[in-house]
Amino acid sequence: KAGVTQTPRYLIKTRGQQVTLSCSPISGHRSVSWYQQTPGQGLQFLFEYFSETQRNKGNFPGRFSGRQFSNSRSEMNVSTLELGDSALYLCASSKDTNSEKLFFGSGTQLSVL
Amino acid sequence: AQKITQTQPGMFVQEKEAVTLDCTYDTSDPSYGLFWYKQPSSGEMIFLIYQGSYDQQNATEGRYSLNFQKARKSANLVISASQLGDSAMYFCAMSDNTNAGKSTFGDGTTLTVKP
Repeated sequence: KAGVTQTPRYLIKTRGQQVTLSCSPISGHRSVSWYQQTPGQGLQFLFEYFSETQRNKGNFPGRFSGRQFSNSRSEMNVSTLELGDSALYLCASSKDTNSEKLFFGSGTQLSVL
Repeated sequence: AQKITQTQPGMFVQEKEAVTLDCTYDTSDPSYGLFWYKQPSSGEMIFLIYQGSYDQQNATEGRYSLNFQKARKSANLVISASQLGDSAMYFCAMSDNTNAGKSTFGDGTTLTVKP
């Protein structure tokens, strides 16, 4: 069974640009969540999607957005990039309930110059 | 609101010894789940162990066990017989029914196993 796949693995952008990250969950998993990981802030929850609906959202500005498609694949978009957006972005999938463990992808390392 | 506290930024343990990583949590929801994840230097987060708030027994998974003390709101991870490959960052996390789909993570503990 294939794991969670995130693309691209590395990304370098400049301030003001926008970026789209992709996440393919494990087959059969309907929940996809996104996290930002930085040395200073740790792991911060961005948002979670279940069956194409955003169920929960973290405390991030509106520049951060996401969506989920009918096949459960998810994308997150960051517009007008800032230097502080440099981070490892992790995607995780699970079946559904809060008792389900998360399966993480390898992450996308975003560097904003 | 959910909150996870890990008070040990770094820990050292001798190979083959046991080590305990501390985690305290806070939530007003009576139904919640507690998780431990391992993040090696490669970056990928790996699930280790789960404890539900209504579980009567402490969870165990191989060399990992979770010391769940509900009244103290603590969920410490115990790793027995440490191996060099256990060197990694360890995160405690929780989820509850009030915050569907959201997991809150602690700041992590970096564990170094010495040969």
